[in-house]
Amino acid sequence: ETGVTQTPRHLVMGMTNKKSLKCEQHLGHNAMYWYKQSAKKPLELMFVYNFKEQTENNSVPSRFSPECPNSSHLFLHLHTLQPEDSALYLCASSQDAGGTETQYFGPGTRLLVL
Amino acid sequence: GDSVTQMEGPVTLSEEAFLTINCTYTATGYPSLFWYVQYPGEGLQLLLKATKADDKGSNKGFEATYRKETTSFHLEKGSVQVSDSAVYFCALKSGGGADGLTFGKGTHLIIQP
Repeated sequence: ETGVTQTPRHLVMGMTNKKSLKCEQHLGHNAMYWYKQSAKKPLELMFVYNFKEQTENNSVPSRFSPECPNSSHLFLHLHTLQPEDSALYLCASSQDAGGTETQYFGPGTRLLVL
Repeated sequence: GDSVTQMEGPVTLSEEAFLTINCTYTATGYPSLFWYVQYPGEGLQLLLKATKADDKGSNKGFEATYRKETTSFHLEKGSVQVSDSAVYFCALKSGGGADGLTFGKGTHLIIQP
């Protein structure tokens, strides 16, 4: 499924840098999600936006800041990250966050924090 | 809270072997159940899903049946191919809440020619 795109695909940053991850969906969906995928751990839900409103913040540290300017775009702003934040960050979308519709995933951004 | 348990692997099989990847879950209410697949270097792709008890999801020769009595959603394929090598994730979504999917840790499947 190529309906969800993410940029950049790879990112290396120092602990004092500020960077942003971008996600765009072309499926006409109303809900968007950020997940973190670390080695040997289940995918962790970070944030949920439904109709541009944040409905879930899964105890994520404040060094991660999401932004959803419209239903098609989702950003994850990063600042003063730690090496343990290195992971694959996946964006997903679905028709509506309140139901059980399928979530469609982007290819992810592989982040390395030095 | 909701949780999903699946065998972690790696699971190594020969081509044309029969595949079973076990998945059990704990959830409130009646969740929808999913299997996603992740090929190397890519994001997750939906493989199949089932939304109510006794439903069978199927796709690309893979099948899984929603078993409410055993809270299970085991993935099966009768004859695997080298191209099936990937990581398989079992997941659930409890309806009604505006939240995301709950995933298992993933099962790494390796098919040898």
